[in-house]
Parts: sequence; C-alpha cells; structure tokens
Amino acid sequence: GNSVTQMEGPVTLSEEAFLTINCTYTATGYPSLFWYVQYPGEGLQLLLKATKADDKGSNKGFEATYRKETTSFHLEKGSVQVSDSAVYFCALRTYGNNRLAFGKGNQVVVIP
Amino acid sequence: DTGVSQDPRHKITKRGQNVTFRCDPISEHNRLYWYRQTLGQGPEFLTYFQNEAQLEKSRLLSDRFSAERPKGSFSTLEIQRTEQGDSAMYLCASSSPGQGANEQFFGPGTRLTVL
Repeated sequence: GNSVTQMEGPVTLSEEAFLTINCTYTATGYPSLFWYVQYPGEGLQLLLKATKADDKGSNKGFEATYRKETTSFHLEKGSVQVSDSAVYFCALRTYGNNRLAFGKGNQVVVIP
Repeated sequence: DTGVSQDPRHKITKRGQNVTFRCDPISEHNRLYWYRQTLGQGPEFLTYFQNEAQLEKSRLLSDRFSAERPKGSFSTLEIQRTEQGDSAMYLCASSSPGQGANEQFFGPGTRLTVL
C-alpha cells in the first residue's frame, strides 16, 4: 500500500536557520507528492506539490524535489522566520486513487 | 471567505451519544473527502464523495459511522454510540475535477471529545 514516513520528533531552530524535514514514501503506483502546512488554529493548507520525478515544488521560500530514485520528497527552506512555526505534513496520492496518505507530521518551532 | 467550512468547530459529548458534523465544500467542487486526525498523527482517510455518490470508504469507517451528501453540496458525518476512541479532529476537504483534481482544500476541522 501507500505510506509516507517523516523524520521523528519536533524541530526547533533559530530564526534565519536552514530547515530540512525529511520525507520518504512507499507507493504502489506513480504518486504525486505534497507538503501541507497546519498553522496553529487553522486548517491544513497545501504548501507545494510535485507530480513527476525530478519536479521541484516551491512556495513561500520552501522547496522540495521529487526524487524517484530515493523515493524522497524532503522539504527545505534556506532562512526560516518565526511565522514558519507550524506542523508540516508530507503526503502522497497515486493516480486513480482519491485518498491522500499522510505522514505523521513534524512540528517546527522557530525561535526569535 | 469561500473556503471549506465545518460546523461545529468543537463538540464534547458523552460516551454512547450520537453526534453529527457538517461540511460545506467550496461551491464549485464536486469531490468531497472526510479524514480523521488523532493527536500526533497525520490525517487518515475515511470516505470520498463525487457529487452525491459515496464512491470509497476506508475500513476505518466502522458501521457506527455514516456519511451522506444528499444533494451533492454539503455533507454530514454521523457517529452513533460514540466511544472514547472516537475522540479526534474530523477534517473535511474538497476538490474539483480535471487538472486541479490533485489538490484537496481542507476545512478547519471539528474537534470531537468523547467523555
């Protein structure tokens, strides 16, 4: 079946630091990959996506590259801000499948 | 605001009671999804509608759960004889067909607490 694995534990870092959140996946088909973000008290929002191998999704300074050879879709941002504090979820959806499969999420806390 | 809305935002109930949640999708979206999210976990798929037809149900959706979308617009999720294990955030999402089908837009969720 389809599954997504995110690195364990919250991430705490200082403002302007470099952020990486690891995401690897297992899929029976050829998936589209997503990062969703959940700010405190708000619903999930799509942050970025990639639909085929070697595609790079980007938004708000965040980037992730679809790596088929390593089945990964790691999220990166070069210089985080306090406003980036949120929970980040990696997700996938395979063609013809209506459900999103999510990882457990990573809480990111950015300290001024 | 024309996003996905959910009502109520919070629900506290006693074990054994029935509860019903409502989701209003984005108006032009014909696809609607329900997910459940427990603390420290990512959302888990429950069920999917295309217009008024319920096309897919997860095995997580026990016979105490029922979802409807009678006119292909809003949807309701009912839980009968609630159990403490039903405590979770219930998320609704919607999407449009065609090129944008991959993107699901989520509502703020209904947080259920079963005492």
